Amino acid sequence: GQQLNQSPQSMFIQEGEDVSMNCTSSSIFNTWLWYKQDPGEGPVLLIALYKAGELTSNGRLTAQFGITRKDSFLNISASIPSDVGIYFCAGQAYGSSNTGKLIFGQGTTLQVKP
Amino acid sequence: EAGVTQFPSHSVIEKGQTVTLRCDPISGHDNLYWYRRVMGKEIKFLLHFVKESKQDESGMPNNRFLAERTGGTYSTLKVQPAELEDSGVYFCASSQDLRANYGYTFGSGTRLTVV
Repeated sequence: GQQLNQSPQSMFIQEGEDVSMNCTSSSIFNTWLWYKQDPGEGPVLLIALYKAGELTSNGRLTAQFGITRKDSFLNISASIPSDVGIYFCAGQAYGSSNTGKLIFGQGTTLQVKP
Repeated sequence: EAGVTQFPSHSVIEKGQTVTLRCDPISGHDNLYWYRRVMGKEIKFLLHFVKESKQDESGMPNNRFLAERTGGTYSTLKVQPAELEDSGVYFCASSQDLRANYGYTFGSGTRLTVV
């Protein structure tokens, strides 16, 4: 089946540093989404990307929908301790726009040292 | 507005037992999804309801899993009999719009441990 390869698997950084993570796929996606999961909670949507090449920001977060439609990245600038959590990329595969089914990456666990 | 509510938050059962997970979506959301994350892996789609109808159940692992959504409101996911590999976090999500463009609202999940 379709898969998203998300990397890195985990990151341990110093407060104030910038972070970058990405997702790649062997197939085309219509939509890319980035979620964050805090401990004991469900994933919360951070950024949604709808078309190839789109670059979108949400505060210190910036995400891009790759030109090939097969990849996306998420950057976090000037990390703070509350950025700790698991970040998931997710996509809606081409041809599945009549369903709500999402394909998720494996997650990137981020730890921030104060 | 209340969010997506899942119950229980944790469940520990023995192999061979039955467990039923419940999800209450946001009121008025016709679309309800079940997903599962096995430790360290991706969040995997299980199935999708539109109101009380199963729109897509292609992700259900096997016939030990039964999902229902009577009356198109809350949903239950029953695992019978449970096996060790069923352990994981089961997420429910709901949306008003069929397209995923706007993202879902997820519940906090049910952590199932089968021992």
